[in-house]
Amino acid sequence: KNQVEQSPQSLIILEGKNCTLQCNYTVSPFSNLRWYKQDTGRGPVSLTIMTFSENTKSNGRYTATLDADTKQSSLHITASQLSDSASYICVVSAMTGGGADGLTFGKGTHLIIQP
Amino acid sequence: DTGVSQDPRHKITKRGQNVTFRCDPISEHNRLYWYRQTLGQGPEFLTYFQNEAQLEKSRLLSDRFSAERPKGSFSTLEIQRTEQGDSAMYLCASSPRAAGSSGNTIYFGEGSWLTVV
Repeated sequence: KNQVEQSPQSLIILEGKNCTLQCNYTVSPFSNLRWYKQDTGRGPVSLTIMTFSENTKSNGRYTATLDADTKQSSLHITASQLSDSASYICVVSAMTGGGADGLTFGKGTHLIIQP
Repeated sequence: DTGVSQDPRHKITKRGQNVTFRCDPISEHNRLYWYRQTLGQGPEFLTYFQNEAQLEKSRLLSDRFSAERPKGSFSTLEIQRTEQGDSAMYLCASSPRAAGSSGNTIYFGEGSWLTVV
């Protein structure tokens, strides 16, 4: 069964600090992995998308890494800002589609940045 | 692109009433998805369309739920005889091709919040 597990479930850090969020998956055959940011009460917004051959991708202060061998990804946030407070959702696609068009969602990590 | 548009953004309804949500995807996106999301959880898949064809329905989509995309553009999600357990945010998303396609971004709308009282 395809699964995406994210950790930690929630995280509180001080403004200006760095943090790393984890995503482990069992989706097969793997196609791509997406990280989304979801502000409270809003729809998810795409941060990065990585395919099998990519092991890092940056979007401003956000850097995602992918290890397709261990089936792990991380999202690193540098010099956090109050506006980074949100849920971060990892979404993995299977190459051959399948149920839900091959998309498996994690439950998200709820990040709170304190001043 | 104007983004994925959902309407209404908020709906409060009495138990037993019917509600309908509308989603306007990004122009020429042929994939359209519906998800349900409750507080603290990730989106749960409900159904998706390829143009006007409904390709899959989740077991979460009971017979009280129906979705259509009659002309392959906008879509509607109707919930009949609402129950308190239907209270959630209903998210719509669209993409130009299948989710597994390389480099394919899936765009989400802002969601429609449903509260059943």
